[in-house]
Amino acid sequence: QSALTQPASVSGSPGQSITISCTGTSSDVGSYNLVSWYQQHPGKAPKLMIYEGSKRPSGVSNRFSGSKSGNTASLTISGLQAEDEADYYCCSYAGSVVFGGGTKLTVL
Amino acid sequence: QVQLVESGGGLVKPGGSLRLSCAASGFTFSDYYMSWIRQAPGKGLEWVSYISSSSSYTNYADSVKGRFTISRDNAKNSLYLQMNSLRAEDTAVYYCASGAGSGYWIWGQGTLVTVSS
Repeated sequence: QSALTQPASVSGSPGQSITISCTGTSSDVGSYNLVSWYQQHPGKAPKLMIYEGSKRPSGVSNRFSGSKSGNTASLTISGLQAEDEADYYCCSYAGSVVFGGGTKLTVL
Repeated sequence: QVQLVESGGGLVKPGGSLRLSCAASGFTFSDYYMSWIRQAPGKGLEWVSYISSSSSYTNYADSVKGRFTISRDNAKNSLYLQMNSLRAEDTAVYYCASGAGSGYWIWGQGTLVTVSS
């Protein structure tokens, strides 16, 4: 399976909203509502932020939201904060598992 | 508390073998699918393998199929990854995580595997 396509980098100012896209195919993102999103700070393990496309685990801020349209999933972070600066990865499950290449979020 | 702790990483020569372990605590390990995910230095996440809660089903990435074997011991709350015929491109931090792709809820801190002569 090919990796999901994410932008290499996005940036935003504190308080703004940003959206990270994750494009797959009709065989993975498009077929199942099983996209998850992970936040990874340097030197740390990833952290689950969104699962099953749009659900938030307990303890994750409601500033993080997920959606999907066709073969593209999206992660939106509203009210950007300095601590949101990190790498973000999408993941799709369709029997096998595929990750996106990752997006570096810079908070200006 | 809920945690996963990996061990067994290290330096190994190309063609060599290594066995990674992951010790689980704080949750009912036997209820969950478990996975290995790796991250090469400076690169993104790559799924390696997952195993069902009862070990009846396993799946592997094409890049490791035939060389790596995932297993678990629910009595010991432990997950394993036997890695054979290691290559330079297998160099990575290896994470164990709970789940099989619909959402990896718990992650270990990772263990570094370096394949070099």
